[in-house]
Amino acid sequence: EIVLTQSPATLSLSPGERATLSCRASQSVSSYLAWYQQKPGQAPRLLIYDASNRATGIPARFSGSGSGTDFTLTISSLEPEDFALYYCQQRNNWPPGITFGQGTRLEIK
Amino acid sequence: QVQLQESGPGLVKPSETLSLTCAVSDYSISSDYYWGWIRQPPGKGLEWIGSIYHSGSTYYNPSLKSRVTLSVDTSKNQFSLKVNSVTAADTAVYYCARQYITSGLYFDYWGQGTLVTVSS
Repeated sequence: EIVLTQSPATLSLSPGERATLSCRASQSVSSYLAWYQQKPGQAPRLLIYDASNRATGIPARFSGSGSGTDFTLTISSLEPEDFALYYCQQRNNWPPGITFGQGTRLEIK
Repeated sequence: QVQLQESGPGLVKPSETLSLTCAVSDYSISSDYYWGWIRQPPGKGLEWIGSIYHSGSTYYNPSLKSRVTLSVDTSKNQFSLKVNSVTAADTAVYYCARQYITSGLYFDYWGQGTLVTVSS
């Protein structure tokens, strides 16, 4: 089973700053990686799929990059509403299934 | 706009069966997507439980497979989750979601989630 490790666990930044979140897979997942944002009391929201494609309605300040085992979610200039939890997710081919990373908390500094 | 809504008891006794249903609105469950369940214990991360296709084809998280059953009712446009022999470790917010059938099997539409507490 592929394990996803996100870093850092917590990221403290100010509005207007650039955020860089990392997700590392224990083995190659090609480009089959997604990023989700979750705010308190809400369901996760799909931000990025296939490593670099923005989901419908996602602002351009969110971008994803990477392939193989190392992936990055970048928020170019933080807005107040961006402070939330972020998870990465990939698929396992065998055993077939879905794995999430443990999450990165983006908090206001 | 696809809408999903979970329903079911919010409190289940230990050793009993947790049962939830996800009603899908404004979209046919018979379309070319999987339909999945994900849970989140309080203050913790996301755990995928399992997914089902409208044909009834399923796949499950290996760590939960022995206790989980998914089913689908296309006539009611809904799908369901059962987890048997529950313990306090099954206390979580349970989400249902629509899931791609290709590439990374991502979840693009989610229900609001429902908290299920396992306690006597």
